[in-house]
Amino acid sequence: EPEVTQTPSHQVTQMGQEVILRCVPISNHLYFYWYRQILGQKVEFLVSFYNNEISEKSEIFDDQFSVERPDGSNFTLKIRSTKLEDSAMYFCASSGRQGGANQPQHFGDGTRLSIL
Amino acid sequence: GEDVEQSLFLSVREGDSSVINCTYTDSSSTYLYWYKQEPGAGLQLLTYIFSNMDMKQDQRLTVLLNKKDKHLSLRIADTQTGDSAIYFCAETPLSNTGKLIFGQGTTLQVKP
Repeated sequence: EPEVTQTPSHQVTQMGQEVILRCVPISNHLYFYWYRQILGQKVEFLVSFYNNEISEKSEIFDDQFSVERPDGSNFTLKIRSTKLEDSAMYFCASSGRQGGANQPQHFGDGTRLSIL
Repeated sequence: GEDVEQSLFLSVREGDSSVINCTYTDSSSTYLYWYKQEPGAGLQLLTYIFSNMDMKQDQRLTVLLNKKDKHLSLRIADTQTGDSAIYFCAETPLSNTGKLIFGQGTTLQVKP
């Protein structure tokens, strides 16, 4: 069964450094998402992406965050200048197109980001 | 506003049924989902229900939706130790972006 794959599984970065988290969504999916889960807290929506542009973003997704689909397969999340509070598990998800955007999202295994 | 609430912990004996409950606030929800997260793993889609349905059954899983009370439940029949995990309820508000709003997750502990 097709999967969403995320790399790396664990990223350790110094505060203030830039970090790029990578995702390969399921190949025929058109909607892409990033979520994060701070340890012990809820999974929170960050951003959705469709047709090469952001379709919705949360308050968390400020100017330090950006997303890109640089080629036909990868979907990346960049944090420009990381803060301690960015430490979390980051999940990528994708969904197909049958009758609109509200189709079941399939998630990757996540990247654990640790900011020192 | 959009909010999803779940109880935090449920413990059952192997072979019993488990019922995990969820309440949500957004009456415009279109789909409601159950995801399973095993330790160190991602979110695995278990099942989902469209908001105009009352019930959906899929092998050992039964989802019940009470739209009037905004209450969703997941019943796992004949619970096995391999079912031990965190179960997340999630809803999709009526927007075209498909974002998911998650509950805080219910930890299911299955005792042998």
